[in-house]
Amino acid sequence: SYELTQPPSVSVSPGQTARITCSGDALPKKYVYWYHQKSGQAPVLVIYEDIKRPSGIPERFSGSSLGTMATLTISEAQVEDEADYYCYSTDSSGDQSVFGGGTKLTVL
Amino acid sequence: EMQLVESGGGLVKPGGSLRLSCAASGFTFSNVWMSWVRQAPGKGLEWVGRIKSKTEGGTTDYAAPVKGRFTISRDDSKNTLYLQINSLKTEDTGVYYCTTDQLNAPVYYYYMDVWGKGTTVTVSS
Repeated sequence: SYELTQPPSVSVSPGQTARITCSGDALPKKYVYWYHQKSGQAPVLVIYEDIKRPSGIPERFSGSSLGTMATLTISEAQVEDEADYYCYSTDSSGDQSVFGGGTKLTVL
Repeated sequence: EMQLVESGGGLVKPGGSLRLSCAASGFTFSNVWMSWVRQAPGKGLEWVGRIKSKTEGGTTDYAAPVKGRFTISRDDSKNTLYLQINSLKTEDTGVYYCTTDQLNAPVYYYYMDVWGKGTTVTVSS
């Protein structure tokens, strides 16, 4: 079955840049969507279609994708950005959707 | 305001069955593909399956771990999505979310990415 691979954790100091990667064989052909999730809450979309940012999401959140790897970048990370981050996409057929394993971002 | 509200979770014994519901409001439910996503305690998000809109066939896709035990259906007259879970296993324990599904849509509208707050299923003897 199709898999998306993320690092389990990323840690940065406030004001630094955090980068979270997501790798998958179908990513050259399929968009990636990024969510953050704080404890006990539903996921929130922060990046869609690889690079687009929904209204209301701070400009410090950006996305990129090259080949089989997509990257979520959080510039000048803030303490409130601490959360679990998930990439989300589909396999090459589009029939199976999948989340990455999730990355715990620590900002301290 | 677009909203999804899940219900039907609870404590069930292994081998039992449960039907979860997801009531939609604030958007044209019949036009939208819908998915179920679950999250085991302390674990990541797991896509469970989806149902397409009736105009696109109303067919379903499931993740491999649940295929054959889970059935997704919809009643567009009631703006409600369902998830029937049979032969429950302890590993089915978790929070179940319903969400709109646009991953295969020709145009993605970020404001149509809607999630419910989830309903909790606990499978234990």
